[in-house]
Amino acid sequence: SYELTQPPSVSVSPGQTATITCSGEKLGDKYASWYQQKPGQSPVLVIYQDTKRPSGIPERFSGSNSGNTATLTITGTQAMDEADYYCQAWDTSTAVFGGGTKLTVL
Amino acid sequence: EVQLVESGGGLVQPGGSLRLSCSVSEFTFSTYAINWVRLAPGKGLEWVSMLSTSGAVAYYADSVKGRFTLSRDSSRNTLYLQMNSLRAEDTAVYYCAKDFNRAFDVWGQGTVVTVSS
Repeated sequence: SYELTQPPSVSVSPGQTATITCSGEKLGDKYASWYQQKPGQSPVLVIYQDTKRPSGIPERFSGSNSGNTATLTITGTQAMDEADYYCQAWDTSTAVFGGGTKLTVL
Repeated sequence: EVQLVESGGGLVQPGGSLRLSCSVSEFTFSTYAINWVRLAPGKGLEWVSMLSTSGAVAYYADSVKGRFTLSRDSSRNTLYLQMNSLRAEDTAVYYCAKDFNRAFDVWGQGTVVTVSS
């Protein structure tokens, strides 16, 4: 079965750039999406089709996808961005999530 | 405003059954597919199932295949997830989520399922 791998945790200082990676075989041939989830809340879509931001998502969130790796970048990270982040892709008719990355802003 | 509202969660014994509902508003099933995604305690998001826009085809994760069944009532704008032979590892918050360009752009608030004796 298809697998997506993320680092369990990433730390960043306020105002700096946070980078979260997601690895999977030939992931660049698929569309990657990214979700933000804060404790006790439902997930929020922050990036879809590799690079697109839904309405209402700040410009500091951006994405890329090539080869075996998709990347979520948060430029000028704010305290409110502290959350769990999940990548997701489709393998034929099955959706797959990465294990999640806990982003700590300190 | 597009909304999804889950209900039907609760406490059930191992081997028992539960039916979750996902009521949708401001869009129709024929336009967007609906998925179920769960978050188990201490774990990450796990995709569970999806019903196609036609309602004719359902897809399931291997972990629930043969135990969970999707159906819908278009007249009630409601999707159902029938969960049988429940196991402790099915304990989770269950979310329904609307498909948009192969991503999940609108999520419900979730309903809690606890499988325990």
